[in-house]
Amino acid sequence: GEDVEQSLFLSVREGDSSVINCTYTDSSSTYLYWYKQEPGAGLQLLTYIFSNMDMKQDQRLTVLLNKKDKHLSLRIADTQTGDSAIYFCAERVPSGGSYIPTFGRGTSLIVHP
Amino acid sequence: KAGVTQTPRYLIKTRGQQVTLSCSPISGHRSVSWYQQTPGQGLQFLFEYFSETQRNKGNFPGRFSGRQFSNSRSEMNVSTLELGDSALYLCASSLEAGWEDEKLFFGSGTQLSVL
Repeated sequence: GEDVEQSLFLSVREGDSSVINCTYTDSSSTYLYWYKQEPGAGLQLLTYIFSNMDMKQDQRLTVLLNKKDKHLSLRIADTQTGDSAIYFCAERVPSGGSYIPTFGRGTSLIVHP
Repeated sequence: KAGVTQTPRYLIKTRGQQVTLSCSPISGHRSVSWYQQTPGQGLQFLFEYFSETQRNKGNFPGRFSGRQFSNSRSEMNVSTLELGDSALYLCASSLEAGWEDEKLFFGSGTQLSVL
């Protein structure tokens, strides 16, 4: 079955870069996603990458995709305390004429001064 | 434009009871999907509705059911509650089901506690 794996915790110092890693299993995934969940809130789509791309940059966020190894990473430059949240990577698997999202368990990013 | 609205925000029930959760999607969105989030299992897909029809269903027992109305609002129902049903239930809406690149917009969730 499909499975998306992430490390559970990451602690960084304010101003440093954060790198959150993810591995996925469905090689047919065309799009891969990163979501952010702040305390007491739902998920917010941060960015996504098309599978024919190796890299996508959006302001402080850089997504790297290694399709051969099915490895996805999210780099946050100049990490701020407001970036403290849980980050989920996700793929969407075809099913029943639609696509079902499969999420990793989430990486809790803790940013300390 | 208002976001995805879920009600109630918090709910406390006892074992054996049933519960109904509500989700109002973003105006114009026709697809609604539901997810269960727990510390142990992470975020798991429950079901997806589009145009009042269930499009996909996750691996949950029949005690979990849902429906979608003609205005795209959706409800999910859990009957005969168990302690393990305690979770944050999230709903998400999107314009249409069936597109891999479509963006999901999530509500803040309903936190259900079963005592």
